[in-house]
Amino acid sequence: EVQLVESGGALVQPGGSLRLSCVGSGFTFSSYEMNWVRQAPGKGLEWVSYINFWGTNIYYADSVKGRFTISRDNAKNSLYLQMNSLRAEDTAVYYCARDATSWSFGPWGQGTLVTVSS
Amino acid sequence: EIVLTQSPGTLSLSPGERATLSCRASQSIRSSYLAWYQQKPGQAPRLLIYGVSTRATGIPDRFSGSGSGTDFSLTISRLEPEDFAVYYCQQFGNSRFTFGQGTKLEIK
Repeated sequence: EVQLVESGGALVQPGGSLRLSCVGSGFTFSSYEMNWVRQAPGKGLEWVSYINFWGTNIYYADSVKGRFTISRDNAKNSLYLQMNSLRAEDTAVYYCARDATSWSFGPWGQGTLVTVSS
Repeated sequence: EIVLTQSPGTLSLSPGERATLSCRASQSIRSSYLAWYQQKPGQAPRLLIYGVSTRATGIPDRFSGSGSGTDFSLTISRLEPEDFAVYYCQQFGNSRFTFGQGTKLEIK
């Protein structure tokens, strides 16, 4: 069974940093592109970042560019999101999602909550 | 950036009825990179449709997608109780992914 499990969410002060992790199992992690998608409380979905198989092609949403860094360690079946200079508007559940066909997302992890507040 | 606008915001229907959800793009979506997701309260989204009209693995055939260019739709032929949820469309273009704001499908 394909599984994605996120961790690392926490309460952090504005301007602080946090690193999220996502571990994949049940599939060949290195064969899939990966993404982070977030959802603010009571709001819709917002794509955050994409990384290809080897980490050589990366995209970011304008709202996080220059503050967030996506990376992966295929030997550990792991995806990461380093988040710096956090703002209140970064408060959200962060999901990791495997690339599906035709630039879609599936499956998704259960999400990890990041709260940015003083 | 391509903006996706979903309508209606909320759709109230009864089980057994047909639902049609709309997703309109601010510019033409190339190469059919349009997908639909279902999200239930407290759960992660689930991929329903990719490539405009292809059902993802395990998705019942009462779900269908169609459209081209800037206008797309998701149709649920006969609503089951478990279909009441929020639905999002999503596209990829110019190294960016965007989602629509969602349509809430509620029981009438």
